[in-house]
Amino acid sequence: DGGITQSPKYLFRKEGQNVTLSCEQNLNHDAMYWYRQDPGQGLRLIYYSQIVNDFQKGDIAEGYSVSREKKESFPLTVTSAQKNPTAFYLCASNGRGTEAFFGQGTRLTVV
Amino acid sequence: GNSVTQMEGPVTLSEEAFLTINCTYTATGYPSLFWYVQYPGEGLQLLLKATKADDKGSNKGFEATYRKETTSFHLEKGSVQVSDSAVYFCALNVGLPGETSGSRLTFGEGTQLTVNP
Repeated sequence: DGGITQSPKYLFRKEGQNVTLSCEQNLNHDAMYWYRQDPGQGLRLIYYSQIVNDFQKGDIAEGYSVSREKKESFPLTVTSAQKNPTAFYLCASNGRGTEAFFGQGTRLTVV
Repeated sequence: GNSVTQMEGPVTLSEEAFLTINCTYTATGYPSLFWYVQYPGEGLQLLLKATKADDKGSNKGFEATYRKETTSFHLEKGSVQVSDSAVYFCALNVGLPGETSGSRLTFGEGTQLTVNP
């Protein structure tokens, strides 16, 4: 079955560490997105990519980095520069003008 | 730019009540419109969609009609159930002429719905 997979489901980060969240899709979608969601809040766009080897900053890119070396994969790194990383992270993908498919999310907690 | 405005929540209803969640949008081009639902601790799932003016999307008793003249896509359900308690997001996507890849999605802020028995 086609879909989008995020891993891990839960992730714990120590102060000063970088951590990488995985997002893989087998839907043959060109576009992929990372969103951050804080409790009781909506979605905030971190980064998005329309095509392999290209990506753009969203509304809250500071302290995050991404890569898009393969069409299927769009990993997100939360760097030590992100001072308040505890949140729920959602990855999505879509084709041109079509609905987005979401992963199940990664809950990141700073310990 | 594109934007989506949803009615502010939270919304609390009794079981079997009528539901309306308002959604209006601004967009360049010809957007497709969507409603997504998010249950606690999960990702978003597509609830329904409409791709052109006057289309009606429907699923699981929920309906929404694409109204170009009022730039609206209000979500309705005639009789809500406790299991409908979730956060609902209105969204749009525009496929620009000449683009071969997906375009940037735009989401509303989400509306928390709680249905009491």
